Amino acid sequence: DAGVTQSPTHLIKTRGQQVTLRCSPISGHKSVSWYQQVLGQGPQFIFQYYEKEERGRGNFPDRFSARQFPNYSSELNVNALLLGDSALYLCASSPGLQETQYFGPGTRLLVL
Amino acid sequence: QKEVEQNSGPLSVPEGAIASLNCTYSDRVSQSFFWYRQYSGKSPELIMSIYSNGDKEDGRFTAQLNKASQYVSLLIRDSQPSDSATYLCAVKPNTGNQFYFGTGTSLTVIP
Repeated sequence: DAGVTQSPTHLIKTRGQQVTLRCSPISGHKSVSWYQQVLGQGPQFIFQYYEKEERGRGNFPDRFSARQFPNYSSELNVNALLLGDSALYLCASSPGLQETQYFGPGTRLLVL
Repeated sequence: QKEVEQNSGPLSVPEGAIASLNCTYSDRVSQSFFWYRQYSGKSPELIMSIYSNGDKEDGRFTAQLNKASQYVSLLIRDSQPSDSATYLCAVKPNTGNQFYFGTGTSLTVIP
């Protein structure tokens, strides 16, 4: 079975631009979570979606938004990019809300 | 603020030795605990989960949980150079759906 997939793998943007990251969960998994990992730190929770509804939000500004589609794939949008948004963005899927999360390969975003 | 603390290391052990990685957490009612391994430039991969006090073994890996002391550890027996990575501890409290991660411990296994 395919694992979690994310696209693109790498992305370079300039300050002020907007970016959309995509994630497809493991087949049968209904929950997707997004994390931001900056170098030398652990992943920081951004959002969790389950059955197309937001079920958790971390301490990130409103520039960050996400959604989940009927096929359980998800997009993370970041507006008005700042240099500090440069990070590895990780998507994790789980069968349900309370269960083990499995990570995708990540999207590495560089903001110049 | 729920916190997960790990010694950032680096921790170096010779090949064949036991590596011991430790994690403490602040939320007394935390429910689920996970260890992930992250190779440089890669995403975290699950090693094991533990939910009850005591030890849980999976191959060369043993997770140990002590909820009274708010402490979870990972032992790696017969350490191999391929075990060289950053090990992330993650905690899921009883309330909410968020996972909280530590900053990770960097492990180097010396051949």
